[in-house]
Amino acid sequence: AQTVTQSQPEMSVQEAETVTLSCTYDTSESDYYLFWYKQPPSRQMILVIRQEAYKQQNATENRFSVNFQKAAKSFSLKISDSQLGDAAMYFCAYKEEGGSEKLVFGKGTKLTVNP
Amino acid sequence: ETGVTQTPRHLVMGMTNKKSLKCEQHLGHNAMYWYKQSAKKPLELMFVYNFKEQTENNSVPSRFSPECPNSSHLFLHLHTLQPEDSALYLCASSLRTRQNTEAFFGQGTRLTVV
Repeated sequence: AQTVTQSQPEMSVQEAETVTLSCTYDTSESDYYLFWYKQPPSRQMILVIRQEAYKQQNATENRFSVNFQKAAKSFSLKISDSQLGDAAMYFCAYKEEGGSEKLVFGKGTKLTVNP
Repeated sequence: ETGVTQTPRHLVMGMTNKKSLKCEQHLGHNAMYWYKQSAKKPLELMFVYNFKEQTENNSVPSRFSPECPNSSHLFLHLHTLQPEDSALYLCASSLRTRQNTEAFFGQGTRLTVV
């Protein structure tokens, strides 16, 4: 079964600085998708960024970028120029291509942004 | 707003009560999901519906009964729950194609069983 591990229960960063959140996963599949979701105190899970496993290029979305290392099964999220509004729980998630629509989530990392 | 609406936002119920959670999306998605989010645990998938048909039941106890009358609406009927069922219940939807794979989530229903 696929598993997703986020080894950092909590992280903090100074406003305007850069922070990297770690995620590793375990799968025997070669084709899949990886996601980072953000859950602020409002509780709504919001997609931050996604990566298709067949793409070698790392995904970027404005201040958010990933470091996707397929062989190492690693998928870290880098947040540049951190803002107070970035404070939230961040969840890494895995989804197999085809077959089940199931998203497998990690336990999450709580990010605090200090002014 | 993600386009997925859940009601109610908060619910307190006794163990003998019967209640229902509602989820609605008008994004044109064809798959809908129920997830359970408990403290200190990863989100757990409960049910998946594709085109109104249940395609996954992740060993959920029968005291949780899903209903999907059409591809825009999803319900979770609750009866004789236990205190350990207290959690945040999240609904999500997605469009099942290769290019569009992300799920859009509602704000959840915070359920407390007393």
